Amino acid sequence: DGGITQSPKYLFRKEGQNVTLSCEQNLNHDAMYWYRQDPGQGLRLIYYSQIVNDFQKGDIAEGYSVSREKKESFPLTVTSAQKNPTAFYLCASSSRGTRNEQFFGPGTRLTVL
Amino acid sequence: AQSVTQLDSHVSVSEGTPVLLRCNYSSSYSPSLFWYVQHPNKGLQLLLKYTSAATLVKGINGFEAEFKKSETSFHLTKPSAHMSDAAEYFCVVMHGSSNTGKLIFGQGTTLQVKP
Repeated sequence: DGGITQSPKYLFRKEGQNVTLSCEQNLNHDAMYWYRQDPGQGLRLIYYSQIVNDFQKGDIAEGYSVSREKKESFPLTVTSAQKNPTAFYLCASSSRGTRNEQFFGPGTRLTVL
Repeated sequence: AQSVTQLDSHVSVSEGTPVLLRCNYSSSYSPSLFWYVQHPNKGLQLLLKYTSAATLVKGINGFEAEFKKSETSFHLTKPSAHMSDAAEYFCVVMHGSSNTGKLIFGQGTTLQVKP
């Protein structure tokens, strides 16, 4: 089955630790995205990548980093510089074309203790 | 600048009655508009999308939306609510001239369906 996988589903970390969230897609999509969702709010864009080895900051990139070494993978690292990292993180991908919808993974809920 | 406003943060209907979730958008260009649904602790699923073709768009699970340029609206409707429709719904706009595919999300509307 084609789709987007995110792992793990739940993640707990101590304050001050870096943590990496996994996102893999087998849809052969060029573009991939990371969003953050907080309770009662819509999604906010953290980083996006339109092609391998290239990525751009979204609206709330501070305290996060990404890499795009392979087309199917777009891991997100939440660094200790992120002041409020507890949130639900969603990864998405889309094919080329500005009017194509994004397909979303199931999400990772990160809790920093 | 483009933006999207969902006019109700919470909507409650009885099973079998119509659903109306309201969305207004702001865009300087011809927008692409989407409705996504999110069940608790899940990812988002596309319900339907408008990309400058027919103004009445039919989606999955009996939902549809009408693009009204004069009112800058893209309201989501369903004739008869089902218990499984209870979820969070997001109205989303993509800038028509954007070459990045970036989406702008509304704040979301929680749909409650009562038996």
